[in-house]
Amino acid sequence: DQQVKQNSPSLSVQEGRISILNCDYTNSMFDYFLWYKKYPAEGPTFLISISSIKDKNEDGRFTVFLNKSAKHLSLHIVPSQPGDSAVYFCAASGSGGSNYKLTFGKGTLLTVNP
Amino acid sequence: DTEVTQTPKHLVMGMTNKKSLKCEQHMGHRAMYWYKQKAKKPPELMFVYSYEKLSINESVPSRFSPECPNSSLLNLHLHALQPEDSALYLCASSHPVRARGYEQYFGPGTRLTVT
Repeated sequence: DQQVKQNSPSLSVQEGRISILNCDYTNSMFDYFLWYKKYPAEGPTFLISISSIKDKNEDGRFTVFLNKSAKHLSLHIVPSQPGDSAVYFCAASGSGGSNYKLTFGKGTLLTVNP
Repeated sequence: DTEVTQTPKHLVMGMTNKKSLKCEQHMGHRAMYWYKQKAKKPPELMFVYSYEKLSINESVPSRFSPECPNSSLLNLHLHALQPEDSALYLCASSHPVRARGYEQYFGPGTRLTVT
């Protein structure tokens, strides 16, 4: 059972435009959400996170939105740059004993075209 | 400094070999992790150490043996691996303090090939 879903395997946008990456989750015990960026043959790089008590967190060009009632979060990148081309993973963690464990989605490949 | 280092970068080993992967962080993190990642898949958690004690073992075969000598170092000892164990092995670390979240910082990984 996939608890974190990224339903778009790939996304292509033009340089300078907005990139919107989506993520859905099913486990109500998740209370912390993270986005990672991964280049081929490298480890994932932490981008931005959001606690379930918030609905928005912004860091430079990156903004994460959380809709708890819909169990949905999204990552907005504005403006998109060619160097943003990578695989983006959504991840979630829960409270209590499972709070060390990140559950990852399958990733979305973002391609930003010059 | 949010750097996690891993050595070696690449490793090729036979099924009868014994080798070790090493991971180091100097961020003061007290939780460290081993993940395995296959191509086009998300990272899969293998082990979690919290305050140098093994807290999670995700039913990993005994041919993988983790070790945490101190709060900065994490090793993964490999013995009698199978070709299907070939993957990118990632180390990560995090603060185990709830108020700071559980952002895990990953190393660059070790690309392991078992022949």
